[in-house]
Amino acid sequence: DADVTQTPRNRITKTGKRIMLECSQTKGHDRMYWYRQDPGLGLRLIYYSFDVKDINKGEISDGYSVSRQAQAKFSLSLESAIPNQTALYFCATSDPLSGSTDTQYFGPGTRLTVL
Amino acid sequence: GQNIDQPTEMTATEGAIVQINCTYQTSGFNGLFWYQQHAGEAPTFLSYNVLDGLEEKGRFSSFLSRSKGYSYLLLKELQMKDSASYLCAAQAGRTDKLIFGTGTRLQVFP
Repeated sequence: DADVTQTPRNRITKTGKRIMLECSQTKGHDRMYWYRQDPGLGLRLIYYSFDVKDINKGEISDGYSVSRQAQAKFSLSLESAIPNQTALYFCATSDPLSGSTDTQYFGPGTRLTVL
Repeated sequence: GQNIDQPTEMTATEGAIVQINCTYQTSGFNGLFWYQQHAGEAPTFLSYNVLDGLEEKGRFSSFLSRSKGYSYLLLKELQMKDSASYLCAAQAGRTDKLIFGTGTRLQVFP
């Protein structure tokens, strides 16, 4: 079974709809992240959480919100989706206490299309 | 500001060697990651450099020069399955956040 899972894997929605993307992990990591990836722009950080009570904005948080329901679950919400939020969304986890690198491990991604 | 530069695309022949360069400008630099990403899939960890020098892992090696803000990923004995995007990411700041380059798309031809 995959260590980091994301649901749904694909989603098509309409402008103005509320959308939630979910991420679950079995790695036991405290740190979790949400990124979006657009062609030619690379991965950009939306939000990150270092534990259940710690939520931080990344470089492009406008239009998004998150919820850390448990150590293993981190959800990303688009309150009112707009077409320029069409992108590939990745969740990632890391554990700074495992070695010295704090390597991030990525889920399989959610392809979101906003019409 | 924070900036990561790497070439957009590269091509190479099966069995050859290719070097993918990355330059970075970040404040509070901690280390440099390389990830591999096949089209439509998740990035997967390849290497991490924190000290100057070369780290070798099988067919892949990664080099870092902190004073020059420069890294490269060296892929030897290229295989068709190495066709992918290679992402350079600088780990920076107190929170160890990753700043990603736009990725280098490598195409390996027979």
